[in-house]
Amino acid sequence: NAGVTQTPKFQVLKTGQSMTLQCAQDMNHEYMSWYRQDPGMGLRLIHYSVGAGITDQGEVPNGYNVSRSTTEDFPLRLLSAAPSQTSVYFCASSDPGQGLSFLCFGSGTRLTVV
Amino acid sequence: EDKVVQSPLSLVVHEGDTVTLNCSYEVTNFRSLLWYKQEKKAPTFLFMLTSSGIEKKSGRLSSILDKKELSSILNITATQTGDSAIYLCAVEAGTYKYIFGTGTRLKVLA
Repeated sequence: NAGVTQTPKFQVLKTGQSMTLQCAQDMNHEYMSWYRQDPGMGLRLIHYSVGAGITDQGEVPNGYNVSRSTTEDFPLRLLSAAPSQTSVYFCASSDPGQGLSFLCFGSGTRLTVV
Repeated sequence: EDKVVQSPLSLVVHEGDTVTLNCSYEVTNFRSLLWYKQEKKAPTFLFMLTSSGIEKKSGRLSSILDKKELSSILNITATQTGDSAIYLCAVEAGTYKYIFGTGTRLKVLA
């Protein structure tokens, strides 16, 4: 079991560029989510999904898109990067149906937008 | 609005000290309270506390949930430099809804 796998670990983008952060989990978890972590702000929810084909917005969704075509994968797309999107991004999953309502996190992606 | 508040924001102690980290919450639909430890990378799960399990212990770490006071504490006894990390508190406030505090940064000096 690899758990939750995120790629890349680091990325530098220029303002206006687009990119996709990848997230995959091999635990058959129903719930997957993306958070960003900024100093003094804690973890803030960007988007989440409760199953394949179902996504919804979190607290800070602007500038990001997601899709969930399979149970395993939940990519996060930055449409036109802005310096305000410089942050550390975490993907997390859980499955209350399996009695696992705590979140399992990936190792994070440190994104810098210049 | 649901919220989780942690205190203190940061803490510096010496090895061997005992520390107590606090987490208070205001949520409309409490399901569980979660503690995580975050070193340089991903948060790692420590404890989950629910109405049916209000005290948890693992080695030198222990946590108690006070549902009356809407709060929880995380105790670390005989601290070690390896305990240096950010400790995150989160509340599961409904199905698939997790509210995080901003964390307590703990530094343990040798």
